[in-house]
Amino acid sequence: QKEVEQDPGPLSVPEGAIVSLNCTYSNSAFQYFMWYRQYSRKGPELLMYTYSSGNKEDGRFTAQVDKSSKYISLFIRDSQPSDSATYLCAMSAMAGAQKLVFGQGTRLTINP
Amino acid sequence: EAQVTQNPRYLITVTGKKLTVTCSQNMNHEYMSWYRQDPGLGLRQIYYSMNVEVTDKGDVPEGYKVSRKEKRNFPLILESPSPNQTSLYFCASSFKWGFNQPQHFGDGTRLSIL
Repeated sequence: QKEVEQDPGPLSVPEGAIVSLNCTYSNSAFQYFMWYRQYSRKGPELLMYTYSSGNKEDGRFTAQVDKSSKYISLFIRDSQPSDSATYLCAMSAMAGAQKLVFGQGTRLTINP
Repeated sequence: EAQVTQNPRYLITVTGKKLTVTCSQNMNHEYMSWYRQDPGLGLRQIYYSMNVEVTDKGDVPEGYKVSRKEKRNFPLILESPSPNQTSLYFCASSFKWGFNQPQHFGDGTRLSIL
């Protein structure tokens, strides 16, 4: 079983829709959670990060962590065609650990 | 412009022929890392380096070597490449290691080993 599971999609939604992207994980030691966005033929770029359980909002993006369920989500409001990309979740056991574990990524397309 | 530069971007080669993928960053970052990205498996860490002359294995180090003689450079060496090392490779760097330190990724190197 993979430490981090992410539905690879593809996911296709109309412009303006609310998008929900999710990851589940098995390692209860994970405390730090990140979302990366990867455009085609580019390297991933950090979108948001959060620590432990709770919500974090940044513009149209909200990251949510539920440690009791080992489940994290990224919500995109008012989705735009420019949001079309692959979204990868990543997590780490503790601040000092030099290891990020990534999900396999969800390919998202926003249709105009 | 702050960036991580990988070379080559694309390479097709044959089994057993040693190759090096270079990685250079111009941000004076301490932490550097190599990942490979495969369909259905996501990004997996190969090696990382906390600073000059400090390197350690990631999840999939077999068949790879690295060195960190200078802060800006972190080459990935395949001494005897095999077809199962065909993949998309990314180099990344950050100021220091930490969950809130954004890792800056290069644009990737696509390797095909025949």
